[in-house]
Formats: sequence, structure tokens, C-alpha cells
Amino acid sequence: GESVGLHLPTLSVQEGDNSIINCAYSNSASDYFIWYKQESGKGPQFIIDIRSNMDKRQGQRVTVLLNKTVKHLSLQIAATQPGDSAVYFCAETQGGKLIFGQGTELSVKP
Amino acid sequence: NAGVTQTPKFRVLKTGQSMTLLCAQDMNHEYMYWYRQDPGMGLRLIHYSVGEGTTAKGEVPDGYNVSRLKKQNFLLGLESAAPSQTSVYFCASSYGGKRDEQYFGPGTRLTVT
Repeated sequence: GESVGLHLPTLSVQEGDNSIINCAYSNSASDYFIWYKQESGKGPQFIIDIRSNMDKRQGQRVTVLLNKTVKHLSLQIAATQPGDSAVYFCAETQGGKLIFGQGTELSVKP
Repeated sequence: NAGVTQTPKFRVLKTGQSMTLLCAQDMNHEYMYWYRQDPGMGLRLIHYSVGEGTTAKGEVPDGYNVSRLKKQNFLLGLESAAPSQTSVYFCASSYGGKRDEQYFGPGTRLTVT
């Protein structure tokens, strides 16, 4: 069946450190993956995406890595800032539908 | 552009009452979606639409109905609300096809007593 899950429900990092949020997926047919950030009281906000024909994609301070061999996805945030505190969801998409993981709460300590 | 908007932002219903949640998008997106989000869980797809006049069931469709009479609007209806439908509801839209990035609205917090 289809499922997307996260290894850790919470992550606490020091301001300025790098953060790594992990995600496992089970459907090897998934061809598109997205990371969303959700701040308290708001809707999810797109961060970065990656297609299955890539293994790495970089944005501004964020990098997504895709390892299809072990069906693993990670989000790396460089120089984590207090404004990065939020819940991060990975999602896989097939046929226009998104399947979300449970989310990881990132807490940034000053 | 306003993006994706939802009304109302908050609502309290009594068991058995009905209501409609409205979602509007001004990005000319083909696809629209309704999700619910419960504590400790990710978003779950209720219903979706791949174009004006079309609707389809998602993961948790029971107790909900939807309509997409206009391309820019997607309505979610609860005919007889139940406490189990207490949740935060999010609408989203996307271009569809190969462009799967979904844009989300701010959410509607619904409480059913």
C-alpha cells in the first residue's frame, strides 16, 4: 500500500546549525515528492520538490535528497533560523493526489 | 493574487446541523482538493476535483459532499455534522497534470458539539 512516514516526530536544533528531517516512503512507483512547511495556525506552504529522476535538488538554504534504493527522502536546512520553527511534512504524489506523512516538528533554540 | 481563500475561518456546529465550506482560487488551477487535518496526523484527502464539473472521492469521503460548479470554486458540504468531523479543513489547488505542486488555503477550524 501507499504510505509516507517520518522517522522522528520532533527535532530540536540550535540556531545556526543545520537541520535534517527524514522521510520514508513505501511506494516505489511514486514519481514526485514535495516538502511542505506548516506554521502554527496556517496552511502548508511549499518548500521544495523533487522528481524521481533526480537524487538532489537545492533551493535557498534547503536541499532535498532522494534515495530511491532505500525509498528515503530528506530535507536539509542550512543555518537554521528561529523562523524555520514549524512542522515539516513530506508528501508523495501520484496522479495529482498527495499522500502526506505525519510531520516532524522542528524547534529552533536561540 | 489572493491565492487560495477559505470561508469561514471558524465554525461551531451542533450534531446533526449542516454547513458548507467555500474554497476559492484565482490562479486558474484545474485541480482542487479538500483535506482534513487532525492532531498528530498528516493531512488526509476527503474529495478532489480535476476540473469544473468533476469530483472524485479521496481517502476519507464519508459524511462529506462536494461540488465544483465553477472552476475557481470548490465547495465542501456536511449534511449532518458529527463530532468525529471536528477538525481543521484545508483546501488546496494545483495546475494538475505534471505540475503537482499544491497551494493551500489558511484552513477552517470546525468544531462539532
